[in-house]
Amino acid sequence: QVLLVQSGAEVKKPGASVKVSCKASGYTFTSRYIHWVRQAPGQGLEWMGWINPNSGDTNYAQRFQGRVTMTRDTSISTAYMELSRLTSDDAAVYYCAKSYGGPGGDYWGQGTLVTVSS
Amino acid sequence: QSALTQPPSASGSLGQSVTMSCTGTSSDVGAYDYVSWYQQHPGKAPKLMIYEVNKRPSGVPDRFSGSKSGNTASLTVSGLQAEDEADYHCSSYAGSNNLVFGGGTRLTVL
Repeated sequence: QVLLVQSGAEVKKPGASVKVSCKASGYTFTSRYIHWVRQAPGQGLEWMGWINPNSGDTNYAQRFQGRVTMTRDTSISTAYMELSRLTSDDAAVYYCAKSYGGPGGDYWGQGTLVTVSS
Repeated sequence: QSALTQPPSASGSLGQSVTMSCTGTSSDVGAYDYVSWYQQHPGKAPKLMIYEVNKRPSGVPDRFSGSKSGNTASLTVSGLQAEDEADYHCSSYAGSNNLVFGGGTRLTVL
């Protein structure tokens, strides 16, 4: 069965960076894009961008450009999302999601809580 | 891109039907048949319920249906059950390889 397992909760200071991992299993990792989506407390979902695990190509939402980096390691079927220059507004649950083959995710990771606090 | 507009809440009685809306623009919802709907229970990850406006992934009950007219997409849940109580989020392709989500609608089953 398809599974996406994310790394554990993080606590970071303002100005720091956070790197979240997403390990995929149950399908061919390179066959589907991985999306990253975040959800601030009590808020809706916010799309951050995607990575093509096959080529490494990425596309980031405009508001995160310059601050987000998405990478992958095909040898261990893992995608990564790194967000830099954190502020309190970045406190959220971060999700990875496997593309269904179009612009959306059919399988999601369990989420990674990122807390930003001095 | 601006977020899609969803009403913050909706409600319906057990066994009845409810329709939730998702309003975008001619650059996203109105331009592409790539609207998805996600169900999210508290503390859980979203679950894909509808993709490409009206397609249901395997395992999603046919009580869930999607449609689109102009810049507004809709999700209808018929035969409401207690377990349908959740947050529902819509998303749309917005061109240039970008996605946009709505703010979510909290569905209450009375």
